[in-house]
Amino acid sequence: GAGVSQSPSNKVTEKGKDVELRCDPISGHTALYWYRQSLGQGLEFLIYFQGNSAPDKSGLPSDRFSAERTGGSVSTLTIQRTQQEDSAVYLCASSLDGRTQETQYFGPGTRLLVL
Amino acid sequence: AQSVAQPEDQVNVAEGNPLTVKCTYSVSGNPYLFWYVQYPNRGLQFLLKYITGDNLVKGSYGFEAEFNKSQTSFHLKKPSALVSDSALYFCAVRRGNFNKFYFGSGTKLNVKP
Repeated sequence: GAGVSQSPSNKVTEKGKDVELRCDPISGHTALYWYRQSLGQGLEFLIYFQGNSAPDKSGLPSDRFSAERTGGSVSTLTIQRTQQEDSAVYLCASSLDGRTQETQYFGPGTRLLVL
Repeated sequence: AQSVAQPEDQVNVAEGNPLTVKCTYSVSGNPYLFWYVQYPNRGLQFLLKYITGDNLVKGSYGFEAEFNKSQTSFHLKKPSALVSDSALYFCAVRRGNFNKFYFGSGTKLNVKP
């Protein structure tokens, strides 16, 4: 079946502009995660959605970052007033039901470059 | 605090030789441990996981990992490396009832012909 998809694959923007990154999880997966991977760094957890529960936003680095998940499926990560340090690969993952032993399946990522 | 350490930024091995990519963790409670691989310009692919039971876990592409509770380690191994195994490998840990994955910084594996 189809995996996790993300769009756009690449995004170049100017400092101060807003960007939206999209994630389509695997059909039927109730848990969705966003991570950030900076050059030479590991993955940094950003936010987690599980069903209709309130999201775990504890990893969002600033109030410029927000995310929503509509209808329990597609998610959008929004970065307002982008800064150069926001340049990174943003990865989305989904899992069947969010239990800790469940495998997360990752999308190919969106490579964001802020000039 | 929960954390994962991958002490080697890079591992070099010759094709056909055994490989080991090291991972140690610090987590309270029972850990759930995962290995992922990332090929250039690709997302992370799941390799294997330890949840409970047998300490030796076998996964995709001939990889295996051994959970060692006393040493808090979960090293990734393969008996005979292939050039196509060259990629970036990430170790990750979760603990019961908590949503977050804690990822290591990654180890670049270079397998030379």
